[in-house]
Amino acid sequence: RKEVEQDPGPFNVPEGATVAFNCTYSNSASQSFFWYRQDCRKEPKLLMSVYSSGNEDGRFTAQLNRASQYISLLIRDSKLSDSATYLCVVNLENQGGKLIFGQGTELSVKP
Amino acid sequence: DGGITQSPKYLFRKEGQNVTLSCEQNLNHDAMYWYRQDPGQGLRLIYYSQIVNDFQKGDIAEGYSVSREKKESFPLTVTSAQKNPTAFYLCASTRQGAPTGELFFGEGSRLTVL
Repeated sequence: RKEVEQDPGPFNVPEGATVAFNCTYSNSASQSFFWYRQDCRKEPKLLMSVYSSGNEDGRFTAQLNRASQYISLLIRDSKLSDSATYLCVVNLENQGGKLIFGQGTELSVKP
Repeated sequence: DGGITQSPKYLFRKEGQNVTLSCEQNLNHDAMYWYRQDPGQGLRLIYYSQIVNDFQKGDIAEGYSVSREKKESFPLTVTSAQKNPTAFYLCASTRQGAPTGELFFGEGSRLTVL
């Protein structure tokens, strides 16, 4: 089993739709979590950290479920510019802060 | 503007040749990292450095070498010992005190072995 798993997609949604991605992790000692966005053939960029209580940044909401060992990213009112690959990142702080990247979920927002 | 500069963006290499990828940052970040990205896979850590003149192997260091003679610079050499070097290489840095996981990436170097 992979340490971090994401549905690779692609998720094809119309503009204005709400879309949610899940990311599961296998190491229960994982301490911190992040979502990155990566445009085609570009570098990843930090989208948001994921806090235990959940957090929101505009149209984006991140949540953490430690009991079930997954994090989620919800995008409301999706825009064409949201089309990208979304990477889930888990920090294994009991392994010196080792970061594990998921393979990414591709989102395509259509007009 | 501060940032991370990687060069070259595209590089073609013949089998058996060593190549060096440049990574320079002017963010005054202490820690620097090299990752490799292959299609359909997550980023994998090659090497990282927390301070000048010190670096550690990541998960896939075989066939690669690095140096950290200056805080701003962390070049990666892909040697002929790397069996499958065609990939997208990403350099990243993070500021001291930032939560591990908040990385700034360069634009990447795409290496193709002919």
